[in-house]
Amino acid sequence: DIQMTQSPSSLSASVGDRVTISCQASQDNSNYLNWYQQKVGKAPKLLIYDASNLETGVPSKFSGSGSGTDFTFTISNLQPEDIATYYCQQYENLPITFGQGTRLEIK
Amino acid sequence: QVQLQESGPGLVKPSETLSLTCTVSDGSISSNYWSWIRQPAGKGLEWIGRINTSGTTNYKSSLKSRVTMSVDTSNNQFSLKLSSVTAADTAMYYCAREKKGGIFDYWGQGTLVTVSS
Repeated sequence: DIQMTQSPSSLSASVGDRVTISCQASQDNSNYLNWYQQKVGKAPKLLIYDASNLETGVPSKFSGSGSGTDFTFTISNLQPEDIATYYCQQYENLPITFGQGTRLEIK
Repeated sequence: QVQLQESGPGLVKPSETLSLTCTVSDGSISSNYWSWIRQPAGKGLEWIGRINTSGTTNYKSSLKSRVTMSVDTSNNQFSLKLSSVTAADTAMYYCAREKKGGIFDYWGQGTLVTVSS
């Protein structure tokens, strides 16, 4: 199984900040990497697919980059409504696997 | 827009079989893969497996011996059965659509299943 490791596990930032989350795959993943946002008590929501493609309707403040084993997810101009846990997910190989999540808080 | 809704018992006894159904509305169940994903309280997401409308399935290997998925295209539903459950199977269970293999674009709201006697 491909292991996905996110860093940091938690993050506290201020309104207006630019926030970056990393995701590392245990083996080459090409660009089969997605990012999800999960707010408390809600289902995950797809934000970025195939490493860098913004899902329809998702604000452009969210972005992704990377390929192979190292990926980055960025939120610009952090707002209180961005409080959530963010997950990366690979689908290069079955089983589909997720990172452990990054919990984002506002200072 | 596509909506997914999980249904099934919220409480299952140890050693029994967990059975859930996902109903897809405002969209056909055809031409996609449909997955089940679970999340224990306070923990991360675990993919359980998926099925397409041809009945082709892929299951996570560690669960494979206990998982059965099926699809009912006439009712726009797909289902999960997980046998011999233990407390470790207690989780929020989500159904989700794969818009392209492996990209989960629509999710149900989730249903909490507790395994307890």
